[in-house]
Amino acid sequence: GIQVEQSPPDLILQEGANSTLRCNFSDSVNNLQWFHQNPWGQLINLFYIPSGTKQNGRLSATTVATERYSLLYISSSQTTDSGVYFCAVIGSGGYQKVTFGTGTKLQVIP
Amino acid sequence: GAVVSQHPSWVICKSGTSVKIECRSLDFQATTMFWYRQFPKQSLMLMATSNEGSKATYEQGVEKDKFLINHASLTLSTLTVTSAHPEDSSFYICSAARRRDGISYEQYFGPGTRLTVT
Repeated sequence: GIQVEQSPPDLILQEGANSTLRCNFSDSVNNLQWFHQNPWGQLINLFYIPSGTKQNGRLSATTVATERYSLLYISSSQTTDSGVYFCAVIGSGGYQKVTFGTGTKLQVIP
Repeated sequence: GAVVSQHPSWVICKSGTSVKIECRSLDFQATTMFWYRQFPKQSLMLMATSNEGSKATYEQGVEKDKFLINHASLTLSTLTVTSAHPEDSSFYICSAARRRDGISYEQYFGPGTRLTVT
């Protein structure tokens, strides 16, 4: 099946700093989402972005499907950004199974 | 829009009993729902894909008879953990899929259920 790796696995930021999270996948996809899992376990949708670039406030994301990666940018980070960020993909061939990435744990300190 | 509820949010049960978890899409119809399991400090692991009106598709290694999934309507899917044992203790999360781009879909997640089996 498709492999999805995220980097870095852990990240500590000072409030106000910017960061880039990366999601690499091993095969072509027709579906990619970014999520933020808060400390209570709730997954919050950030972006549906199988290709291209999108922005939502301080967050933006870019997926380069031909090169099999996606990036999530967080600018001017806030303590409420802390949590785990996951990307999830669905491969474009055969049985379309959802595969979650390994996650990036972000801690933003005041 | 795109709200998914999940009940109960937490449950403690004795070994050998069964527990039912409900997942509802509140403001959209979901032909497909997914059930995941998450262990502490790990990623989400897909257990099964549930399509309305048909049998669920289970991932390799997931026991069908232990984790019974029913998708009775376009807004409700249930997961029943039968004869639960301590090793079934985990965080169970459902998602409901809403169509996007005509061919794919976007998942929206419920808040999860923390199951503890004593």
